[in-house]
Amino acid sequence: GQQVEQSPASLVLQEGENAELQCTYSTTLNSMQWFYQRPGGRLVSLLYSPSWAEQRGGRLTSSAASNESRSSLHISSSQITDSGTYLCAMGPVYAQGLTFGLGTRVSVFP
Amino acid sequence: NTKITQSPRYLILGRANKSLECEQHLGHNAMYWYKQSAEKPPELMFLYNLKQLIRNETVPSRFIPECPDSSKLLLHISAVDPEDSAVYFCASSQAGTANTGQLYFGEGSKLTVL
Repeated sequence: GQQVEQSPASLVLQEGENAELQCTYSTTLNSMQWFYQRPGGRLVSLLYSPSWAEQRGGRLTSSAASNESRSSLHISSSQITDSGTYLCAMGPVYAQGLTFGLGTRVSVFP
Repeated sequence: NTKITQSPRYLILGRANKSLECEQHLGHNAMYWYKQSAEKPPELMFLYNLKQLIRNETVPSRFIPECPDSSKLLLHISAVDPEDSAVYFCASSQAGTANTGQLYFGEGSKLTVL
């Protein structure tokens, strides 16, 4: 089954609202990475967590609760240009390479 | 971002043979091929670390990877099937002995099978 679960599947925001995207996983990890993708576009790395420390990048913050097998991506003061799909990906301890979740599709309206 | 380049960007095939190319200018030791079908997340196909094939996912034998040096990756495709229509992404990372490292992706090669 799917080892990486993301919620919600989709999210509609009004410009300026904050959002929290969740990612849960079912195996032991050594890294977690968040990506952004527009339809038909490339995968843009947002945040990378080799440990469980909080990561920050502009209006984005990722946090992790390893005891709950969960990671969150916080988007503050959303903008219309934030619209797209946000994918979390896990790096398991037993293998190299990342396994992706199904993503959260975010739509920001004025 | 031109640090990982892929070619061709678009590819339309019948049952012909073709190769996808990728080159990274990041000095990374690991390179990957991912397949992303419509409305799905990327799925790992192949992984090379220091030119050695480390992880070979269960993909049809008509896909053959090649890593001529640590900065270049090829994907040879023969007798494609309609289910192969997808975007093929190349990625690279500086992998450690026990971790993948941060992945960086190229712009992808979109394959359309007629």
